[in-house]
Amino acid sequence: KAGVTQTPRYLIKTRGQQVTLSCSPISGHRSVSWYQQTPGQGLQFLFEYFSETQRNKGNFPGRFSGRQFSNSRSEMNVSTLELGDSALYLCASTDTYGYTFGSGTRLTVV
Amino acid sequence: KNEVEQSPQNLTAQEGEFITINCSYSVGISALHWLQQHPGGGIVSLFMLSSGKKKHGRLIATINIQEKHSSLHITASHPRDSAVYICAVFMNYGGSQGNLIFGKGTKLSVKP
Repeated sequence: KAGVTQTPRYLIKTRGQQVTLSCSPISGHRSVSWYQQTPGQGLQFLFEYFSETQRNKGNFPGRFSGRQFSNSRSEMNVSTLELGDSALYLCASTDTYGYTFGSGTRLTVV
Repeated sequence: KNEVEQSPQNLTAQEGEFITINCSYSVGISALHWLQQHPGGGIVSLFMLSSGKKKHGRLIATINIQEKHSSLHITASHPRDSAVYICAVFMNYGGSQGNLIFGKGTKLSVKP
């Protein structure tokens, strides 16, 4: 079966811009979670969606937001980008057996 | 103090050696995950456990809930095992879903 698909793989944006990242989970998985990975902070939980509802949120500013559609695909948005937002953004889809991660989107803010 | 501590941070081994990576946590959890991340960023979930021991091929993961400690063992290590291994715990929020909290990772390098 197809894995978790994240698009785009790489992205370069300028400070102040906004960005939208996409995640398509494994077919049948209704839970999608998002993570930020930086060299300094490691992996950090952003938020989790289940059946179009945000079920949990990590400790990130309101510039970070997300949503989930009826087909379980999810998007995350970062507004007013800062240099510190440069990171690998990973999403994972979940079933009772565990997590399957996408390959990530590497965002560079210049 | 981090809620999830891993040791060692870096580990270099010779091919064939038995490897142990440790994870300690300070919060109540409903499950613990071991993840493997190769250069390039892709993450693979190796194990999810809430008690006891699990084995998959040359990999063994154990957890002691009372001591809040888990170990990942690799038997007969191979250069292809070189990766970063990350421990993550799923916090228990009084029965409801919580967040995944990650350790900083253990960078393993296996030399031929």
